[in-house]
Amino acid sequence: AQSVTQPDIHITVSEGASLELRCNYSYGATPYLFWYVQSPGQGLQLLLKYFSGDTLVQGIKGFEAEFKRSQSSFNLRKPSVHWSDAAEYFCAVELLDSSYKLIFGSGTRLLVRP
Amino acid sequence: DTAVSQTPKYLVTQMGNDKSIKCEQNLGHDTMYWYKQDSKKFLKIMFSYNNKELIINETVPNRFSPKSPDKAHLNLHINSLELGDSAVYFCASSQDSSEREGYEQYFGPGTRLTVT
Repeated sequence: AQSVTQPDIHITVSEGASLELRCNYSYGATPYLFWYVQSPGQGLQLLLKYFSGDTLVQGIKGFEAEFKRSQSSFNLRKPSVHWSDAAEYFCAVELLDSSYKLIFGSGTRLLVRP
Repeated sequence: DTAVSQTPKYLVTQMGNDKSIKCEQNLGHDTMYWYKQDSKKFLKIMFSYNNKELIINETVPNRFSPKSPDKAHLNLHINSLELGDSAVYFCASSQDSSEREGYEQYFGPGTRLTVT
């Protein structure tokens, strides 16, 4: 069955430090890949997405993600974290069956130390 | 203007009651969705509608019934509420497009349902 794994439930980084959030997927083909952010009490906002082409994609708020086919991974990175980045981050895949159905990982909560 | 709006934001009700959550999008999108986020923040799709037609119906109890009066609205009606229905429900919408680069699901702010 298709699945998305975010192995880190919580990550704490200091403000200004770099960040990497991990995401692995299990799917028969390369799906479409997304990262969403959920701030406390808010809905989800799309950070970036990968459909094809360049495996390093740039998103909003200074985030980027790299697709690695050999590792079935789509890790999210940011070179310098700001306190406002504290939130829940979700990796998601879209199945290639034209249903536009998103399957989400369990999320990673990012805490930022001042 | 809010792109995807939901009402109410909070809903507290007793077991056995029937309640509805409304969703409206002003983006002109063709497809709308309902997701459930449980207490562990796990998000799972429940339904999706495309041009008022049901296209995804996950293994959701039939106490949950989506209703789409028009393309811009997708309401969720829940009968005989149970404690396990307590969750945050998110509505989302997207535009059908062969231009995949532009594709994105836009989420509403969520409705926190508490069943006591």
